[in-house]
Amino acid sequence: KAGVTQTPRYLIKTRGQQVTLSCSPISGHRSVSWYQQTPGQGLQFLFEYFSETQRNKGNFPGRFSGRQFSNSRSEMNVSTLELGDSALYLCASSFPGEGYTFGSGTRLTVV
Amino acid sequence: DAKTTQPPSMDCAEGRAANLPCNHSTISGNEYVYWYRQIHSQGPQYIIHGLKNNETNEMASLIITEDRKSSTLILPHATLRDTAVYYCIVRSYGGSQGNLIFGKGTKLSVKP
Repeated sequence: KAGVTQTPRYLIKTRGQQVTLSCSPISGHRSVSWYQQTPGQGLQFLFEYFSETQRNKGNFPGRFSGRQFSNSRSEMNVSTLELGDSALYLCASSFPGEGYTFGSGTRLTVV
Repeated sequence: DAKTTQPPSMDCAEGRAANLPCNHSTISGNEYVYWYRQIHSQGPQYIIHGLKNNETNEMASLIITEDRKSSTLILPHATLRDTAVYYCIVRSYGGSQGNLIFGKGTKLSVKP
């Protein structure tokens, strides 16, 4: 079966711009989580959605937001980009009781 | 903060067993031990998880001590492709799935 698909794979944006990243979970998975990975901070949890509702949120500023659609696809948005937002953004989906399956990520570079 | 402690790095000879330790002395009764690995620039890959009994699947074995304060992930015959960062995570099971709190993990280098 198809894995977790994230688009785009690479992205270059300018400071102050906004960006939207997309994640298509494995078919049947209703839980989608987002993580940010940087060399300095490692993997950090952003938020989790389940059935279109945000269920958990990490310690990130309000510039980071997300949503989930009725087909379980999810998007995350970062507004007013800062250089420090350069990172690998990972999406993961899961079925209750199973481990998370991660996508390959979107590498965002802010210049 | 991560609730686990792992050595920062380990080496293993190709074909030998790789034993990766993890300390989780504050684990709660309803928390499972999960293992993931991340090969450079890819998303983390789920390996195995367990509560208190030893577990085995096609990728690895998980040995959890009787007091559940530590565990060991065993890759029985390590190959070069097992070179990765391995993360040990404790988390609750079911209900609100909650987030995975990743520590710094163990960088395993499998050498020919």
